Amino acid sequence: GAVVSQHPSWVICKSGTSVKIECRSLDFQATTMFWYRQFPKQSLMLMATSNEGSKATYEQGVEKDKFLINHASLTLSTLTVTSAHPEDSSFYICSAPGLGAEAFFGQGTRLTVV
Amino acid sequence: AQTVTQSQPEMSVQEAETVTLSCTYDTSESDYYLFWYKQPPSRQMILVIRQEAYKQQNATENRFSVNFQKAAKSFSLKISDSQLGDAAMYFCAYRIWDSNYQLIWGAGTKLIIKP
Repeated sequence: GAVVSQHPSWVICKSGTSVKIECRSLDFQATTMFWYRQFPKQSLMLMATSNEGSKATYEQGVEKDKFLINHASLTLSTLTVTSAHPEDSSFYICSAPGLGAEAFFGQGTRLTVV
Repeated sequence: AQTVTQSQPEMSVQEAETVTLSCTYDTSESDYYLFWYKQPPSRQMILVIRQEAYKQQNATENRFSVNFQKAAKSFSLKISDSQLGDAAMYFCAYRIWDSNYQLIWGAGTKLIIKP
């Protein structure tokens, strides 16, 4: 089946620095990529929807300037957490729709800000 | 707006037994997809089963089957012959037929398998 590769799988960064998370669709073209945040023992919370070649659409309450999303090609979407703080520590997941009805998920990124 | 409700935060079942996870949803749409996803400790989301709303027949995938009641807006997941590897968080999700594939998620049910 289709594969979405997400990197890094985990990252530790210092407070105030920026971290970039990449999601690549390996064997299909992803015109849309969803970015989720997941707190421990909770469900997926949609942060934003990126579309290739256009600006991302952010959900209410998500800071656009803190969570920068770029979707410059049909196989790569990136999420950059800028000026990260401990409260940004979380699990981030990307997901791309396939040709059928199901979605394909990256492996997730565990971000820890110290 | 569409909503998905999973009222069981946690369920436990004896290995080899059968367990049913509940899911209800609210929508005014007539065409849509419903899914059950599994998230094991690795946190990789895995599709368990899907159901198209226009299909009356309940979907089945090996030991996993659903009871889809469209009028009642209910979509439960039955796991037969539970195995230790079934231990995970299970999420029910809804997708509008003609949307950009955005999913509406339930809160999840943690399934514990007792050996």
